Amino acid sequence: AQTVTQSQPEMSVQEAETVTLSCTYDTSESDYYLFWYKQPPSRQMILVIRQEAYKQQNATENRFSVNFQKAAKSFSLKISDSQLGDAAMYFCAYRSPGNMLTFGGGTRLMVKP
Amino acid sequence: DTGVSQNPRHKITKRGQNVTFRCDPISEHNRLYWYRQTLGQGPEFLTYFQNEAQLEKSRLLSDRFSAERPKGSFSTLEIQRTEQGDSAMYLCASSLFGAPGDGNEKLFFGSGTQLSVL
Repeated sequence: AQTVTQSQPEMSVQEAETVTLSCTYDTSESDYYLFWYKQPPSRQMILVIRQEAYKQQNATENRFSVNFQKAAKSFSLKISDSQLGDAAMYFCAYRSPGNMLTFGGGTRLMVKP
Repeated sequence: DTGVSQNPRHKITKRGQNVTFRCDPISEHNRLYWYRQTLGQGPEFLTYFQNEAQLEKSRLLSDRFSAERPKGSFSTLEIQRTEQGDSAMYLCASSLFGAPGDGNEKLFFGSGTQLSVL
């Protein structure tokens, strides 16, 4: 079974600074997808960014980018120019094609003004 | 289309009672997923449907839990004889699986139903 591990229960960043959230996963598959979801206090899960395992290029969405290290099974999220609205729980998730998402335990991100 | 809708937003019940939640997916989406999330944890997969067929159920889904998607549109999740350990947020998500040119479906989540069992 696939597992997803987020080793940082909480992270803090100063507004306008950069923060990196860590994620590792375990799988024996070669074809899969990785995601970062944001969950604000409203509890609705919002897709931040996704990465296809077959792509070597790291995904980027505006201020959000990932560092995907397939051999190391690592998938970190970098948030640049942090904003107060970025404060939320962040979940890393894994999915093999056609199957359900498996989530990590989450990292709470606090943004200090 | 306003996205995935879940009702009710909150449900408080006494132990031993039955509860039912409803999820209305995005209209053209053929897949519908149920997840459970306890405080401070990531969501855990419960079950999913493709159209009206229930394709997979987690071992977390005890016999007291049943889910249906009778016409391939909305879905209901029923918990019978609720226990305090059932207290959690129940999340629904939907997706369009098998769209041409998109081998990676995107899941869209609802805001969840928060269940409290007293």
